Amino acid sequence: GDSVTQTEGQVTVSESKSLIINCTYSTTSIAYPNLFWYVRYPGEGLQLLLKVITAGQKGSSRGFEATYNKETTSFHLQKASVQESDSAVYYCALGHTGGADRLTFGKGTQLIIQP
Amino acid sequence: DAGVTQTPRHEVAEKGQTIILKCEPVSGHNDLFWYRQTKIQGLELLSYFRSKSLMEDGGAFKDRFKAEMLNSSFSTLKIQPTEPKDSAVYLCASRPDWGVEQYFGPGTRLTVL
Repeated sequence: GDSVTQTEGQVTVSESKSLIINCTYSTTSIAYPNLFWYVRYPGEGLQLLLKVITAGQKGSSRGFEATYNKETTSFHLQKASVQESDSAVYYCALGHTGGADRLTFGKGTQLIIQP
Repeated sequence: DAGVTQTPRHEVAEKGQTIILKCEPVSGHNDLFWYRQTKIQGLELLSYFRSKSLMEDGGAFKDRFKAEMLNSSFSTLKIQPTEPKDSAVYLCASRPDWGVEQYFGPGTRLTVL
């Protein structure tokens, strides 16, 4: 089966500092892995932040970046300088090319930005 | 296009009650998912439909949880009977045929007393 492990619980970062939220995955599927970061801002629904469906590629959105590393089976989320508006819960997720299956999510990381 | 809609947004139930949550997927999407979200477990898949056919029923949730797709644009999740441990946010998501991204609704927050 599939599993996703990400930095658990809560991460506190001071405004304008850099951020990394770790994500690693494992899969027994023969279908090609696709990787996603979803975000839930306070009071809003879960929404896609970025996705990468090809190993070695980088996805980016709203100043966040993540590179799909097949060798280390990782998809860490990074941002060079966080803002207070980045406070949210972030979920790493794994799917497969072809789309005929579920997404497997990590347990989520709550990001708190200190002014 | 309207996104995924879910009703109600909040539900409070007594232990032992039956509750029904509703979801309307994005128009034209043939894949529909129900998830349960808790702080401890994160997002857990309850059910997955493709073109109204049940593809996955989330194993551990079989006995009291039943999801149905009455037509391509409406799905329900019934919990019967409810237990306090069912308190969580229930999310519905839809996806176009052979797409990779799932589009989520705002969720229903269920509290079971």
